[in-house]
Amino acid sequence: AQSVSQHNHHVILSEAASLELGCNYSYGGTVNLFWYVQYPGQHLQLLLKYFSGDPLVKGIKGFEAEFIKSKFSFNLRKPSVQWSDTAEYFCAVRGSQGNLIFGKGTKLSVKP
Amino acid sequence: DAGVIQSPRHEVTEMGQEVTLRCKPISGHDYLFWYRQTMMRGLELLIYFNNNVPIDDSGMPEDRFSAKMPNASFSTLKIQPSEPRDSAVYFCASSLAGYNEQFFGPGTRLTVL
Repeated sequence: AQSVSQHNHHVILSEAASLELGCNYSYGGTVNLFWYVQYPGQHLQLLLKYFSGDPLVKGIKGFEAEFIKSKFSFNLRKPSVQWSDTAEYFCAVRGSQGNLIFGKGTKLSVKP
Repeated sequence: DAGVIQSPRHEVTEMGQEVTLRCKPISGHDYLFWYRQTMMRGLELLIYFNNNVPIDDSGMPEDRFSAKMPNASFSTLKIQPSEPRDSAVYFCASSLAGYNEQFFGPGTRLTVL
């Protein structure tokens, strides 16, 4: 069965630090990959997605992710985080029937 | 577009009572998903529909849970009888064609006492 692993449960950074959140998926075929963000008390919102083409994907709010097929990875990055980036981040892969398979999520706390 | 609409936003009930959560997907979307989010288990897919037909309900925890989608613009998730361990935030999401991003509703925070 397809699965998604997010290795960091909780990441704590100071403002202006660089961010990289790891995501690995198990499916070896054509993949559609997503990163969602959930701000405190809110619903999930799409940050970025990868379907095909350039493996470096730009998203909203300065986030980007790189798809590395050989490593089954889709890590999320941001060069300089802000306090407002404090949220939970979910990586997801599209399943064979259109559903999304989510990772457990990574909580990011940014200290002002 | 109003986005995915869920009601109620908060529900507090007593153990043994029936609970019905409601969802209106984005107009034109043909996939609808129900998720449950808890601190312990994270985000879990409960069931999803394509063109109003349930495709996979393997995530529904037990027979106390049921979901319906009588038409393209409405779905319900029912818990009968409810138990304290059902306390969670329940999200509904919809997508077009299943291959695109899912749009999530604001969620229903359920507390079963």
